[in-house]
Amino acid sequence: NAGVTQTPKFQVLKTGQSMTLQCAQDMNHNSMYWYRQDPGMGLRLIYYSASEGTTDKGEVPNGYNVSRLNKREFSLRLESAAPSQTSVYFCASRGYNEQFFGPGTRLTVL
Amino acid sequence: TQLLEQSPQFLSIQEGENLTVYCNSSSVFSSLQWYRQEPGEGPVLLVTVVTGGEVKKLKRLTFQFGDARKDSSLHITAAQPGDTGLYLCAGVLWTDKLIFGTGTRLQVFP
Repeated sequence: NAGVTQTPKFQVLKTGQSMTLQCAQDMNHNSMYWYRQDPGMGLRLIYYSASEGTTDKGEVPNGYNVSRLNKREFSLRLESAAPSQTSVYFCASRGYNEQFFGPGTRLTVL
Repeated sequence: TQLLEQSPQFLSIQEGENLTVYCNSSSVFSSLQWYRQEPGEGPVLLVTVVTGGEVKKLKRLTFQFGDARKDSSLHITAAQPGDTGLYLCAGVLWTDKLIFGTGTRLQVFP
């Protein structure tokens, strides 16, 4: 039982490059989330998925797209990375009254 | 945009001291959660408070939810080096999404 896993752990991109952050959970949860964490700003919701096949925008969705591939997997895509997207990205899934977080992806955009 | 302000932002204390972290908002939440985050890891849930005025204790940690369900506090008695970390409050919206506070980074020195 691995909980929530994320890949990669670290990534450096040049401005304009694209990449996909992968997330998977093995707890059979319906809801999954993508957050970004920046110093002094806590975690901000980018996108979430209440169930397989549905996705909704969160607080800061611009520049991102998501795919809920199946119940286990929820990916986040940056089509054209910008320096403002330098951040630590966390995926989470929701069980009963609690969100479980992955270990994060540290992304730097040069 | 809903905001949860935490204070102080940083706290550096000696082992054995007491401390209080505050979490304030102008919004009403269905419940409020406190998470703790270690470096290189995702946040982990400490507690959920649901009822206005509710007080919960976890060993040396005491959590209180404001009567109006807009604010909360975390009090740590006799802090220990193992309490070091980033403490995040999170307001639970009626849609089950979370709004995270700005975070309090605690350092406890031996």
